[in-house]
Amino acid sequence: GAGVSQSPSNKVTEKGKDVELRCDPISGHTALYWYRQSLGQGLEFLIYFQGNSAPDKSGLPSDRFSAERTGGSVSTLTIQRTQQEDSAVYLCASSPTTGGGTEAFFGQGTRLTVV
Amino acid sequence: SQQGEEDPQALSIQEGENATMNCSYKTSINNLQWYRQNSGRGLVHLILIRSNEREKHSGRLRVTLDTSKKSSSLLITASRAADTASYFCATGGMDSSYKLIFGSGTRLLVRP
Repeated sequence: GAGVSQSPSNKVTEKGKDVELRCDPISGHTALYWYRQSLGQGLEFLIYFQGNSAPDKSGLPSDRFSAERTGGSVSTLTIQRTQQEDSAVYLCASSPTTGGGTEAFFGQGTRLTVV
Repeated sequence: SQQGEEDPQALSIQEGENATMNCSYKTSINNLQWYRQNSGRGLVHLILIRSNEREKHSGRLRVTLDTSKKSSSLLITASRAADTASYFCATGGMDSSYKLIFGSGTRLLVRP
């Protein structure tokens, strides 16, 4: 693929329902990030997958949030029992290397609305 | 968690003028990056400066880094209406993860 792909682009869900957000990173990228952005705000770090290492989950706001990355490629962010404050744009990014720091490539995000 | 704080939060200038945005951060870093975001969706990487560098140029962009003051600045010269966007700095940590943490952003409006 040409870039990072996220699906769905928009999701409206009822309060209390579970949602799954998907991210397809650029092939071969070893690092993958999830961020959350509320309207007009900065990016809030959620979770970071780095190669085969244990993920850095330090940004997950509650135990309702979880993420996994299968086979070092596709990642799914799951939000259980959604709340209205979960409404935001969820952004995924991937990076080609875990050493030395390189640029991150972003998807277009999933806009989640909890009603 | 957010590492960087951008200043100003919003900036409005006339086309052709220069725009300067500043970023301050709290902990030691491996690198600092600037990104641009249009319409609240995906971010686009602009420039990366490593902790042992002091200045970097890319086209109309000039980035400086002062690690003693834990601050960076992004200068956009000869601004255009198409430069209207939000600009974010992001820091890559010193630990082995190089995890990217973003600041709060500067909203730039370039008036035609």
